[in-house]
Amino acid sequence: GNSVTQMEGPVTLSEEAFLTINCTYTATGYPSLFWYVQYPGEGLQLLLKATKADDKGSNKGFEATYRKETTSFHLEKGSVQVSDSAVYFCALSYGSSNTGKLIFGQGTTLQVKP
Amino acid sequence: DTGVSQDPRHKITKRGQNVTFRCDPISEHNRLYWYRQTLGQGPEFLTYFQNEAQLEKSRLLSDRFSAERPKGSFSTLEIQRTEQGDSAMYLCASSIDSREAFFGQGTRLTVV
Repeated sequence: GNSVTQMEGPVTLSEEAFLTINCTYTATGYPSLFWYVQYPGEGLQLLLKATKADDKGSNKGFEATYRKETTSFHLEKGSVQVSDSAVYFCALSYGSSNTGKLIFGQGTTLQVKP
Repeated sequence: DTGVSQDPRHKITKRGQNVTFRCDPISEHNRLYWYRQTLGQGPEFLTYFQNEAQLEKSRLLSDRFSAERPKGSFSTLEIQRTEQGDSAMYLCASSIDSREAFFGQGTRLTVV
């Protein structure tokens, strides 16, 4: 079946460090891929998305490229800030009927220290 | 518009009791989704509505769970005869068709 696997956390970095959070997926067809972020006490927010192979999604300094050959959608940021501390979820949306239903990974907690 | 609103934010109930949660989506969003999130896991899809029609239900949604969206606006999720395994965060999201889904802050249910 369709699924998403993320690297386990927590990921602890110093401010201004480079961030990579790995995400791989299993899906039939051509899913859309997403990264959501959940700050403490808040709901999930869409961070970025990509809808087809080789697309790059970007927002707030974060980037992720849809790699069909490796079935991956790794999240990167060149210089993290303390305010980036949150839980990050990789997700996919699939189906020819385009329901908008999302399948999420288990989440990766990022802690950025000053 | 203040986004997707869920009520209550927290609910503690005794095992065997019934509970009902409410979700108010963003105005004019025709799709509404319910997800469940347990500690340390990502959200899992439960069900979704397009307008007032419930179009899909997950196998996770046992017969103790029922969801409605009577007028295509707000939605309710009821859990009958709650069990400790129902303890989780229940998330609601809304969207226009299959575009970006906006999530509420969730209702945290604790069954004691």
